[in-house]
Amino acid sequence: QLQLQESGPGLVKPSETLSLTCTVSGGSISSSDYYWGWIRQPPGKGLEWIGTIYYSGATYYNPSLKSRVTIFVDTSKNQFSLRLSSVTAADTALYYCARHYLPAAILSWFDPWGQGTLVTVSS
Amino acid sequence: DIVMTQSPDSLAVSLGERATINCKSSQSVLYSSNSKNYLAWFQQKPGQPPKLLIYWASTRESGVPDRFSGSGSGTDFTLTISSLQAEDAAVYYCQQYFSTPQTFGQGTKLEIK
Repeated sequence: QLQLQESGPGLVKPSETLSLTCTVSGGSISSSDYYWGWIRQPPGKGLEWIGTIYYSGATYYNPSLKSRVTIFVDTSKNQFSLRLSSVTAADTALYYCARHYLPAAILSWFDPWGQGTLVTVSS
Repeated sequence: DIVMTQSPDSLAVSLGERATINCKSSQSVLYSSNSKNYLAWFQQKPGQPPKLLIYWASTRESGVPDRFSGSGSGTDFTLTISSLQAEDAAVYYCQQYFSTPQTFGQGTKLEIK
């Protein structure tokens, strides 16, 4: 069964870079033609798609965050990672990684999801 | 961006009664070439990630109780819980995957009356 797990610092200072990693188990990122995404949820608020990476390395970002986001994949570790630069308090959120369900289709729903990791931006 | 608007923001329903949540998209999410509506519904309970309930607007995910159903087409969609159970208390989200950026509704909080 495919499982995803987010990891990274829970506290980041304003203006610094947030870095998170999603470790995939129960399946290989490099041997499958799936898209892998990051979604965030500010405390008590709704869900926002951050961006997505294809197993080949092609990336797709939400225009609202594009100037600050980088997503990359490390197939040797079966991981994909998120970097968000110049963070502010508005970036405080629960960050989820998830797979786009349909193979070779970025236009599909997210499933499964990781459990999420809370990142707080504060000095 | 396609804006997804859910209504109501919250509702309280008695056990055994029907609950209805609406989701409206700012543009159609019906793809004419395959006649599929690119819309999903999720349930989220505190401390948990969203759980997929429905995709293609009306296809129930495996293992989801049949009291959950999705309907609608184009820009107007509905999630119906036919006979509310205590474990259905949660926040429900719709998501469009017709185009990027994929967007979610603001959520509807369902409480037990």
